[in-house]
Amino acid sequence: EPEVTQTPSHQVTQMGQEVILRCVPISNHLYFYWYRQILGQKVEFLVSFYNNEISEKSEIFDDQFSVERPDGSNFTLKIRSTKLEDSAMYFCASSEGGGGRNEQFFGPGTRLTVL
Amino acid sequence: DAKTTQPNSMESNEEEPVHLPCNHSTISGTDYIHWYRQLPSQGPEYVIHGLTSNVNNRMASLAIAEDRKSSTLILHRATLRDAAVYYCILHPYNYGQNFVFGPGTRLSVLP
Repeated sequence: EPEVTQTPSHQVTQMGQEVILRCVPISNHLYFYWYRQILGQKVEFLVSFYNNEISEKSEIFDDQFSVERPDGSNFTLKIRSTKLEDSAMYFCASSEGGGGRNEQFFGPGTRLTVL
Repeated sequence: DAKTTQPNSMESNEEEPVHLPCNHSTISGTDYIHWYRQLPSQGPEYVIHGLTSNVNNRMASLAIAEDRKSSTLILHRATLRDAAVYYCILHPYNYGQNFVFGPGTRLSVLP
């Protein structure tokens, strides 16, 4: 069964450093997402991406964040200058289409620890 | 996005059916009802979704009230692996991409 994969599984970084989190969505999917989950809290939406551009973003997704689909298979989340409060699990997801008709498939997550 | 209300936690015995309720009294006519679950230290996992009619798949059944103001996720025979947080999420049919996760229901399965 096709699945969303994410690398690395755990990333440790120093405050102020840049990190790139990588995702490989399911191959025939057209919509891509990033969510995050701070330890013990709810899963929060960050951004959605369709047709090579951001289609929606939350207030969390400020200028420190960016997303890219550098080739036909990868989808990345970059945090330019990490803060302590960026420590969280980051989940990538993908779906065939947008809207409620389509389920989203989530990856296993990358645990980001900012020291 | 319309709001959902779920119990904070529920318990079930292994091999018994589990009925997880969700209230969504402000649902609109074009909102789909989605259920996801999150096992410990894993990403959310799709379970089932529907619009008006009851739905069955290999994981679960979804029973939707006639007025659509509530729904119930049914696990026919709980296993220890079903212990997870279950999220009921409404999402409009034709716009918006992000799912809004609430706190969900933490299901414990007792051996």
